[in-house]
Amino acid sequence: DGGITQSPKYLFRKEGQNVTLSCEQNLNHDAMYWYRQDPGQGLRLIYYSQIVNDFQKGDIAEGYSVSREKKESFPLTVTSAQKNPTAFYLCASSPKTRQGPNTEAFFGQGTRLTVV
Amino acid sequence: SQQGEEDPQALSIQEGENATMNCSYKTSINNLQWYRQNSGRGLVHLILIRSNEREKHSGRLRVTLDTSKKSSSLLITASRAADTASYFCATAPYSYDKVIFGPGTSLSVIP
Repeated sequence: DGGITQSPKYLFRKEGQNVTLSCEQNLNHDAMYWYRQDPGQGLRLIYYSQIVNDFQKGDIAEGYSVSREKKESFPLTVTSAQKNPTAFYLCASSPKTRQGPNTEAFFGQGTRLTVV
Repeated sequence: SQQGEEDPQALSIQEGENATMNCSYKTSINNLQWYRQNSGRGLVHLILIRSNEREKHSGRLRVTLDTSKKSSSLLITASRAADTASYFCATAPYSYDKVIFGPGTSLSVIP
């Protein structure tokens, strides 16, 4: 089945630890995105990538890092520098067009990260 | 403040009634999209309307776009309990290569 897969579904992190959230897609999409969602709120963009080996900071990139070594994969690392990491993290992908994000984004089912 | 903001923040209706949600935005856009999110899940794309379109239909969904007022509305007709979810508008500004989401409208449809 074509789609976008996030893992794990739930993740617990101790204070001071780095953790990596996985995002894989087999839709052959060029663009991939990471969003953070806090309870009762909308999505805030962390990082996005339009092409392999290139990515840009979104609105709340501090304390996060990403890599895009393969088209299918866009892992997000939540570092110890992120002071309030407890949130729901959503990964998305979309085809890239010459004009930009002109098509729908496909979302994974999310990873809920909790700091313990 | 947000590029896209939905109104109302929360809406509760009886099954069978229509639900209307509005979205306002600030900058010129390439397109506007509506998404649905069930509790604790990812978002699902509902409909995309381009800046040169005024109205679009998909099943029980009707979306309008007024670029002069920088606003859009999502109408769900004959609502069902299964429509209970959060609905988000997302805008694709011309000047950016990303999509920006509003805070969402939480819809509750009471059986």
